[in-house]
Amino acid sequence: EVQLVESGGGLVQPGGSLRLSCEASGFTFSSFKMNWVRQAPGKGLEWVSYITSDSSTIYYADSVKGRFTISRDNAKNSLYLQMNSLRAEDTAVYYCAREFGNWGQGTLVTVSS
Amino acid sequence: EIVLTQSPDTLCLSPGERATLSCRASQSFSSNYLAWHQQKPGQAPRLLIYATSNRATGIPDRFSGSGSGTDFTLTISRLEPEDFAVYYCLQYGSSPFTFGGGTKVEI
Repeated sequence: EVQLVESGGGLVQPGGSLRLSCEASGFTFSSFKMNWVRQAPGKGLEWVSYITSDSSTIYYADSVKGRFTISRDNAKNSLYLQMNSLRAEDTAVYYCAREFGNWGQGTLVTVSS
Repeated sequence: EIVLTQSPDTLCLSPGERATLSCRASQSFSSNYLAWHQQKPGQAPRLLIYATSNRATGIPDRFSGSGSGTDFTLTISRLEPEDFAVYYCLQYGSSPFTFGGGTKVEI
């Protein structure tokens, strides 16, 4: 069974940093593209970032470009999102998704003073 | 950036009725990269349809997708109580990938 478990969310002050992790199991992680998607409270879905299986191609939404960094460690079956210079508008539940077909349950990031 | 506009915002229907949800794109793109997701309160999104018309594993055949170019449709032939949720279209053919704003299907 495919499982994706996010962690690393929490409360952070504006301008601060957080690193999200997504631990994958039940499939060959190294063979799949991965995404981060977020959802602000009461709002719709917003795609954040994408990475290919070998990390050769990476994309970001304009709203996070230059502040967020996606990465993966195929040996550890893990996906990461390093978030710097956080803003109030980054407050959201962050989901990792395997090629948009399988999703984790999400981790909440709250940016507030 | 491809902007996806979903309509209507809210669809009020009864169990057993047919639901037709629209997703219109600001520019044409390959139908290989259009998906539909369902989301219920407090839950992660669930993939229903990929590549415009292919049902994901385990999705009942009352869900169907169609369309091409800039106009795409999700149809639920006969609504079941568990189908009342929010539905999002997604294009993943060109970066930035984009979601529509969602259609809420409610009783």
